[in-house]
Amino acid sequence: KQEVTQIPAALSVPEGENLVLNCSFTDSAIYNLQWFRQDPGKGLTSLLLIQSSQREQTSGRLNASLDKSSGRSTLYIAASQPGDSATYLCAVSTTGNQFYFGTGTSLTVIP
Amino acid sequence: DVKVTQSSRYLVKRTGEKVFLECVQDMDHENMFWYRQDPGLGLRLIYFSYDVKMKEKGDIPEGYSVSREKKERFSLILESASTNQTSMYLCASSLYSSGDGEQFFGPGTRLTVL
Repeated sequence: KQEVTQIPAALSVPEGENLVLNCSFTDSAIYNLQWFRQDPGKGLTSLLLIQSSQREQTSGRLNASLDKSSGRSTLYIAASQPGDSATYLCAVSTTGNQFYFGTGTSLTVIP
Repeated sequence: DVKVTQSSRYLVKRTGEKVFLECVQDMDHENMFWYRQDPGLGLRLIYFSYDVKMKEKGDIPEGYSVSREKKERFSLILESASTNQTSMYLCASSLYSSGDGEQFFGPGTRLTVL
């Protein structure tokens, strides 16, 4: 069974800093990897989707990379802002329409 | 924009009650999913559906059933609610049956069973 791990579980940075969130998965046979943001008590908001054939995707200050062979993805956030404070989750999809989620990284950006 | 809506944001029920959670998506997606989210355990898949009247068990289907009579609507049913079903319930949908589609989530329903 696919296992997804996110390290660190929590991260606190000063405003303006660039940061990297990590996601690792055990089975490299994936269709895609998706990064989400979740605010407290809310649903998940899709940030970036990387197909298995792609190496990276960018949206504004966010850049996600995928290395299938090593089972890793990173989410890079440039010039962090207090509004970026949230929990970030990664999920991988495999055959059979199953999606496996990590437990997330809780990010706090200090003004 | 894709929109996934859930019938309630907050729900309080008594042990033994039958509970219906409803999810509607407006983008003609084939796939729909029900997850529960608990602290320290992350999101766990309860059931998913890849077509009308089709359903597949996820990792934790015990105590739950689902119904998909129309493509846009996917219901989660707790036949006899128990306190260990107190949780955040999240519905999601995605476009492609092959599994390469992006998932979109609803706002969640916080269910408390007393």
